[in-house]
Amino acid sequence: DIQMTQSPSSLSASVGDRVTITCRASQSIGSNLNWYQQKSGKAPKLLIYTASSLHSEVPSRFSGSGSGTDFTLTISSLQPEDFATYSCQQGYSSPYTFGQGTKLEIK
Amino acid sequence: EVQLLESGGTLVQPAGSLRLSCAASGFIFRNYAMNWVRQAPGKGLEWVSAITDSGGRTYYADYAKGRVTISRDNSKNTLYMQMDSLRVEDTALYYCARVISGRYDHWGQGTLVTVSS
Repeated sequence: DIQMTQSPSSLSASVGDRVTITCRASQSIGSNLNWYQQKSGKAPKLLIYTASSLHSEVPSRFSGSGSGTDFTLTISSLQPEDFATYSCQQGYSSPYTFGQGTKLEIK
Repeated sequence: EVQLLESGGTLVQPAGSLRLSCAASGFIFRNYAMNWVRQAPGKGLEWVSAITDSGGRTYYADYAKGRVTISRDNSKNTLYMQMDSLRVEDTALYYCARVISGRYDHWGQGTLVTVSS
């Protein structure tokens, strides 16, 4: 199975900050990397697919980049509603594995 | 609007059985592969099982093989997961999710399975 490793595991930031979360795959997955946002007590929501494409109605302050084994999720200017847990997921080969999640908290 | 509504989660004793359901609406259910993904308390997301659009092929995580059976009824727009020989470590929130091109584009709200004596 492909292992997905995110860093950091948690992050404190302020409204207006620029934030970057990293995801690394244990082998090359091309651009088959997706990002999800999960707020407390809620189901995950797809944010970004195939590394850099924004899912419908996702604000443009979210962006993704990378290919092969290294990927990043960037939030250009944090808004209060962005404090949540973010998870990456590889869609390259079954089983579709997830990173362990990055919890983004208010500083 | 795409909607996925899970049900069937409850408290069950170790070695017990349970069947989860996921009722789909707002899209042509028979055209999509579906998966079950779980999340243990305070933990990350973990894939459990998958089924193709027709139901002809199924796939399972190693820990689920032999204990879990995924199925679907396209005439009822419903996904199922039969869980047997449940273990304490199966305690989790179970989500059904629609799959397209390797990504989960819609999720249900989850149903909680608690395995405890």
